[in-house]
Amino acid sequence: DIQMTQSPSSLSASVGDRVTITCRASQSISSYLNWYQQKPGKAPELLIYVASSLQSGVPSRFSGSGSGTDFTLTISSLQPEDFATYYCQQSYSVPPYTFGQGTKLEI
Amino acid sequence: QVQLQESGPGLVKPSETLSLTCTVSGGSLSSYYWTWIRQPPGKGLEWIGYVYYSGTTDYNPSLKSRVTISVDTSKKQFSLKLNSVSAADTAVYFCPRITLIGEEIKVDAFDIWGQGTMVTVSS
Repeated sequence: DIQMTQSPSSLSASVGDRVTITCRASQSISSYLNWYQQKPGKAPELLIYVASSLQSGVPSRFSGSGSGTDFTLTISSLQPEDFATYYCQQSYSVPPYTFGQGTKLEI
Repeated sequence: QVQLQESGPGLVKPSETLSLTCTVSGGSLSSYYWTWIRQPPGKGLEWIGYVYYSGTTDYNPSLKSRVTISVDTSKKQFSLKLNSVSAADTAVYFCPRITLIGEEIKVDAFDIWGQGTMVTVSS
């Protein structure tokens, strides 16, 4: 199985900050990488697919980059509604689909 | 607009079988993979398995011996059975859809999710 490792596990930031979350795969996954946002008590929502493509309806302050084994999710200017947990997920070598352990973004 | 809704018992006894159903509304099951993912309290996401609308399945090797996923296109439902459960199977269970998405490179992504249902394994 491909292991996905996110860093940091938690992050404190303020409204207006620029933040970056990193995801590393245990082997190359090309660009087969998606990012999700999960708010407490809710299902995850797809933010970014193919490492850098924004899902419809997602604000442009979110961006993704990377390929191979190293990927980043960047939020250019944090808004109050962005405080949530973020997960990366690979679909290069499946099954199984695997997720990172999550990064909790806190105020 | 496609919507998914999980249903089933919220409490299951140890060693028994967990059974959940996901009902699809606002669209067809055709041409998509439908999947189950779970999340233990305070923890991350674990993919359980998927079923194609034709009935083809595949499972997470870590759960394969205990899992069955099936589909009923006439009812627009797909179902999860997990047998011999223990406290470690306590989790919120989600039933997202898999979509193949992208331009030059297409990836499988979980694009539509149900709200999730909490299942507790306890005597």
